[in-house]
Amino acid sequence: GQNIDQPTEMTATEGAIVQINCTYQTSGFNGLFWYQQHAGEAPTFLSYNVLDGLEEKGRFSSFLSRSKGYSYLLLKELQMKDSASYLCAVRDSNSGYSTLTFGKGTMLLVSP
Amino acid sequence: GAGVSQSPSNKVTEKGKDVELRCDPISGHTALYWYRQSLGQGLEFLIYFQGNSAPDKSGLPSDRFSAERTGGSVSTLTIQRTQQEDSAVYLCASSYPGLASYEQYFGPGTRLTVT
Repeated sequence: GQNIDQPTEMTATEGAIVQINCTYQTSGFNGLFWYQQHAGEAPTFLSYNVLDGLEEKGRFSSFLSRSKGYSYLLLKELQMKDSASYLCAVRDSNSGYSTLTFGKGTMLLVSP
Repeated sequence: GAGVSQSPSNKVTEKGKDVELRCDPISGHTALYWYRQSLGQGLEFLIYFQGNSAPDKSGLPSDRFSAERTGGSVSTLTIQRTQQEDSAVYLCASSYPGLASYEQYFGPGTRLTVT
């Protein structure tokens, strides 16, 4: 099975930088995803990491260390609209390219 | 282009009734997934369809839950004899295996309330 841990809640100030961590345990790692979900809306894809290192996409970056079972999502120049839940999800090679296992999400509140 | 659509957006039903939830994936996406999301919980995988292959039903919580995908496109999730613990948001997602990331695109969900 898989176990994914991420903080339940985080708060930050507009314009600041915030790092959301995710740790996972899996029998066969085959990719890690970050999704953003605003209240009452569908999750939307943010990033994908399968190799170690940092993937940068505008204000958002995602880092992966496979040996440590660790990832983080870095959000820069925070805006009020970044207030949302951020979901870490892992794909297991034993399931091929089929299913993702999601963490419970980190609720980020950005204040003025 | 059009994204994943789901209907109804909201469904209130009495305990013991059957419900059907519908998902229209993005055109050309051969993979389709159903998840449910309960308050304060993560997305829970239910079932996965890929092309004409047998579906992966490993996430279905009981035999009251079933799903079909007709013509490789539209999918219906059926819950028989609903129970109050079935109350959740049911999310459908689709993906295109041609993408290296196989990222999943989610629909807006159906909020099911069992009274």
